[in-house]
This record gives sequence, C-alpha cells and structure tokens, in this order.
Amino acid sequence: AQSVAQPEDQVNVAEGNPLTVKCTYSVSGNPYLFWYVQYPNRGLQFLLKYITGDNLVKGSYGFEAEFNKSQTSFHLKKPSALVSDSALYFCAVRDGNYGGATNKLIFGTGTLLAVQP
Amino acid sequence: NAGVTQTPKFRVLKTGQSMTLLCAQDMNHEYMYWYRQDPGMGLRLIHYSVGEGTTAKGEVPDGYNVSRLKKQNFLLGLESAAPSQTSVYFCASSYGGTRTETQYFGPGTRLLVL
Repeated sequence: AQSVAQPEDQVNVAEGNPLTVKCTYSVSGNPYLFWYVQYPNRGLQFLLKYITGDNLVKGSYGFEAEFNKSQTSFHLKKPSALVSDSALYFCAVRDGNYGGATNKLIFGTGTLLAVQP
Repeated sequence: NAGVTQTPKFRVLKTGQSMTLLCAQDMNHEYMYWYRQDPGMGLRLIHYSVGEGTTAKGEVPDGYNVSRLKKQNFLLGLESAAPSQTSVYFCASSYGGTRTETQYFGPGTRLLVL
C-alpha cells in the first residue's frame, strides 16, 4: 500500500538560514508527489508537485523540492527561511498505478516548521 | 473567485446531535472531497464525489453521510455525533480525476463534540 512519511514532527531554523523538510514515500508504481502548507487556523495551500521530468521542482513562495527516486524522497527546501514561513507542512503522494477514479491523496502526518528571528 | 468555502467555521455539538457541514466551490470542479484532520494523523479521506449526483466512500466513512445535489456544493452530515468525531474537517475540490490533478482546500470547520 502506498504511504508517505515525514520523520520530523518539528524543524527549527533561524531566519536567513536554509531549511529542509523531509519526506519519504512508498508506492507500487510511479509516484506523484505534492507539498501543501497550512498556516494557523487556515486551510491547506498547494505549494508544488512532482509529476515527471526535472527532479528539482520549483513552487510558490520560493520553495522547491528535490525528487530522488533511488532514496524514495521528496524533500522540501528553501535557500533562506523567513519568519513568515512558520507553518505546518504536509507531504502527500498519489500512486501512479492506482486504477481507481478517486484521485486519492495519501498525506503524511505533517512537520511543524518554526523559523526564529 | 472565492475558491473553496466552508460553513460553519466552528461548531460545538452534544453527543447524539446532528449537523451538516457545507462546502461550496466556484471553480467549476467536478471532484470534491471531505477530509478530517487529527493530531499526528495527517488528513484522512472521509467521502468523495466524482460529479454531481455521485458520492463514494473514502478511508474513514463510518458515521458520516454526504450528498452532492449541485455541482458546486458538497454536504457532509453527521446523523448522531460522537466525541470521536471531534476534529477539523476540510473540504477540497479538483478539476478532474487524473493522478496529476491538484486539490484545492477550504479553510476548515472545527468541530467539538461533547
């Protein structure tokens, strides 16, 4: 069964430093990977997705993610963190070989990013 | 363009009471979804709809019913609320059902069942 893991409950980083939020996945076919961000008391906002092609995906708000097939990872990165980036980040995966019509996403448990001024 | 909206934003229920959560989208999306979010568990799919007049069960459907009478609306009902249904509920929609589609989420409804 497909699954996604976010091994860190919380990531702390100083403003201006690079940040990485980790995600690993397990699927039976080609993975389709997504990152969402949730600000306090808000819904999930789409950041970026990997479908195929270039392993480095660029998304909203200066975020990017690197797809690594051999390590089954899709880590979210940003070169210079802002205090306003503090939020809950979710990785999600959809199995490319899934035969149903559900368009179902499997979410990780989330990683809280705290950026200190 | 409001995107995906949800009402109410917050509700407190007593055990056994019923209520309906409303989700509306103005993007002409075919697919709509209801998720619940619980601490340490991410989001789990409750029910979904692939078009007007259709509904299907997701990962955790027990205790919930849904209806999609209009394309733009997706209702989630709790017939007899239980404390285990205390959660944050998110509605989402997508244009189609392909595996590359992005889902767009509403702001959420926080439900407390006493």
